[in-house]
Amino acid sequence: KQEVTQIPAALSVPEGENLVLNCSFTDSAIYNLQWFRQDPGKGLTSLLLIQSSQREQTSGRLNASLDKSSGRSTLYIAASQPGDSATYLCAVSRSGSRLTFGEGTQLTVNP
Amino acid sequence: DTEVTQTPKHLVMGMTNKKSLKCEQHMGHRAMYWYKQKAKKPPELMFVYSYEKLSINESVPSRFSPECPNSSLLNLHLHALQPEDSALYLCASSQIGARNQPQHFGDGTRLSIL
Repeated sequence: KQEVTQIPAALSVPEGENLVLNCSFTDSAIYNLQWFRQDPGKGLTSLLLIQSSQREQTSGRLNASLDKSSGRSTLYIAASQPGDSATYLCAVSRSGSRLTFGEGTQLTVNP
Repeated sequence: DTEVTQTPKHLVMGMTNKKSLKCEQHMGHRAMYWYKQKAKKPPELMFVYSYEKLSINESVPSRFSPECPNSSLLNLHLHALQPEDSALYLCASSQIGARNQPQHFGDGTRLSIL
């Protein structure tokens, strides 16, 4: 059974700092890995998707990496802003339909 | 604004009521999903529809009844719910067989059972 772990559970940083969120998974036979953002009371917004054959994806200030063999992914956020405050969820898919989520990292960026 | 629209945004119902949650997308996606999310927990998959047919039921109690009347609509019919069913219900959609396409989520329906 796939298990996904995210560390840390919560993170508070001053504005402007670069930061890294971590995600690990136990079964390396994945289809893809996705990073989502969730604001309080809202749905999930897809940030980045990395296919199993890829090593990284970038979008603006966000960069996600994937090391499938070691079962790890990182989400790097450059020059953090208060608007980045949210819960960040990592999810892996084995079949393209069933997502297994981590517990999330709650990020607070202080002005 | 999200591309997956869920109605209503909030719903309060008694344990004997019957109500329905609605989800709509116009992105041409042929896979649609229902998730349940409790506070400070990740979403849990409930149902998956592929080409308007139920393909995954994660052992969900029969008081939740999904329906996919066409490729753009997904409903979740609720009957005789329990207080522990209070949660955020999220709908999502995606392309089928596309390894590089993410699931798109709606903003959810916040359900409270009295």
